[in-house]
Amino acid sequence: ETGVTQTPRHLVMGMTNKKSLKCEQHLGHNAMYWYKQSAKKPLELMFVYNFKEQTENNSVPSRFSPECPNSSHLFLHLHTLQPEDSALYLCASSRTSGDTSTDTQYFGPGTRLTVL
Amino acid sequence: GNSVTQMEGPVTLSEEAFLTINCTYTATGYPSLFWYVQYPGEGLQLLLKATKADDKGSNKGFEATYRKETTSFHLEKGSVQVSDSAVYFCALMDTGRRALTFGSGTRLQVQP
Repeated sequence: ETGVTQTPRHLVMGMTNKKSLKCEQHLGHNAMYWYKQSAKKPLELMFVYNFKEQTENNSVPSRFSPECPNSSHLFLHLHTLQPEDSALYLCASSRTSGDTSTDTQYFGPGTRLTVL
Repeated sequence: GNSVTQMEGPVTLSEEAFLTINCTYTATGYPSLFWYVQYPGEGLQLLLKATKADDKGSNKGFEATYRKETTSFHLEKGSVQVSDSAVYFCALMDTGRRALTFGSGTRLQVQP
């Protein structure tokens, strides 16, 4: 399998549940990202990992907990979410180079999350 | 801070019509500019990019030119097809920061 894959593709959870989203990239990249796509807001960056180290947290609530065990895998652990957290969660990866402005991010298909 | 502004959608065109989707940006540095496309039920796919002023990105008949003087990166296609129906996102990545800033997206509907 090539590119960036995400599982599950769809997830429905209650506010008291704990679940995890998984992202895997097969592109040999070193940087990985979580984005949130809500119905009425632009795509928002959540977290950035570079060589397994978190380099950016865009003021994301602590009920979202990322984990990056290696450069190929990225998780987003979810607990005690709210209905307004329902969204499409997109993972992306990119090559790390000295010129960050020219790195191209490649996206997975996303996980459609519904919080009841 | 950085921001990207796209024209409101949806844009509805007949097949073989000319397409323009406007995009303007605000950035503190010298950003790279991107167009991504999202087909129904799928994630984002890179359509084209330009990394410096006056560069033209092109792919699948789509083109966009990096205009620093007007801070714009308008997407154009000479003859759209029904299969081009999707949501198009303009985005920028500023120098030294690894995060994309996206516009709100423009939905394109092409009718046969």
